[in-house]
This record gives sequence, structure tokens and C-alpha cells, in this order.
Amino acid sequence: KAGVTQTPRYLIKTRGQQVTLSCSPISGHRSVSWYQQTPGQGLQFLFEYFSETQRNKGNFPGRFSGRQFSNSRSEMNVSTLELGDSALYLCASSLVQTPSYEQYFGPGTRLTVT
Amino acid sequence: QKEVEQNSGPLSVPEGAIASLNCTYSDRGSQSFFWYRQYSGKSPELIMSIYSNGDKEDGRFTAQLNKASQYVSLLIRDSQPSDSATYLCAVNTGNQFYFGTGTSLTVIP
Repeated sequence: KAGVTQTPRYLIKTRGQQVTLSCSPISGHRSVSWYQQTPGQGLQFLFEYFSETQRNKGNFPGRFSGRQFSNSRSEMNVSTLELGDSALYLCASSLVQTPSYEQYFGPGTRLTVT
Repeated sequence: QKEVEQNSGPLSVPEGAIASLNCTYSDRGSQSFFWYRQYSGKSPELIMSIYSNGDKEDGRFTAQLNKASQYVSLLIRDSQPSDSATYLCAVNTGNQFYFGTGTSLTVIP
């Protein structure tokens, strides 16, 4: 079974631009969560989508948004990029079977904002 | 108070020794608990999950859960240099995953 895939793997953007990242979950997984990982803050939860609905949201500004499609693929968008948005963005997919709820991560998208 | 706290490390152990990694969590309603391994420059990889009090063994790895003490641990027996990585503790409260900041482990040959 194929794992979680994320595209692109690397991105360099300029301050003020916007960016869209894509995530395809493991086949059959309907939950996709997004995380930002930086050396100083660790893994921080952005949001979770389940069946095309945002189910949970972390403490990030409205510049960070996402959506999920009917095939469970998800996109994350960051508008008006800031230097501090430079990070590894990870998505994780899950079957959402209580209590297991195991999350599997994709390889991540490394975003650099200059 | 953070939702999940880990001993900050870094932790160094000689090859063949037992490495012990610890984690505490704040939400008593937490339902499931996980350990991830993350190599430098890579994404986290799930290595253990545990849902009930007690021990769960998988090869050289043993996860221990004590819900009364809100404590999760990971033991790595016969540590190998390839175990050198950052280990992340994660807790699912039923609504959301929370991750610790990780413990860096170095296994010295």
C-alpha cells in the first residue's frame, strides 16, 4: 500500500507571496492533518480534515487555510508569506478508528521564505 | 502547562544498552498514545502505539503506559547506532493529537 505523498518536496518563495501544498493520504484514510515543524517550536498542529470538513484547528492565523476533496486529498494554503513561515510542513493521514487513531506522516514539504 | 512533555535530553547510551525515554501528558481523557522516531531531515515514523495500561512489546521496543500517573515511556533494548534519532511522544485526546518536543537519542558505538 502506498504511503502518504506530499508535493512539492521543496519550495522557495518570497515574502508576501502565497503557496499551496498538496497531500495524498494512504488509500482508505479519510482524515488528513497538517503540522508545521520548526527547530524552535517542534511539531505544531495546523488543522485536521475529515470527509471534506475541517474538524479541528490549531492556533495559527487565518493566513493558513486548507481544504479536503472528495477523494480525501488535501491542500494547504498559506497567503502573504512571512519569513517565520519557513518550516517543514507535514501532513499525516489516519483511518480514524477509535481508539487506535494511528497517524502516518508524509515526507513533508520544506518551505523556505526569503 | 504543555499537553505533552518529554525529558529534553539529549540522551546518550552505549551500543547494546537500554535507552529509556519518558513522557507525561496533562489530559486525563487521553485515549491513545504513540511513539514516533524522526531521523534528521526526515519525517516522523510511527514505531509504537499503546492504548491500555501496562507494557506492549515489539521487537527491541517496549512501550509502557500508566494512565493513573499520566505517564508513557519507551524502552529500547540492545540499542544500536541506527536508533540514533529524535523520539517524539504523541497523545490523542479524542479531539486532537498533541506532540512532545522530542528527545534526541545518540547511541555510541
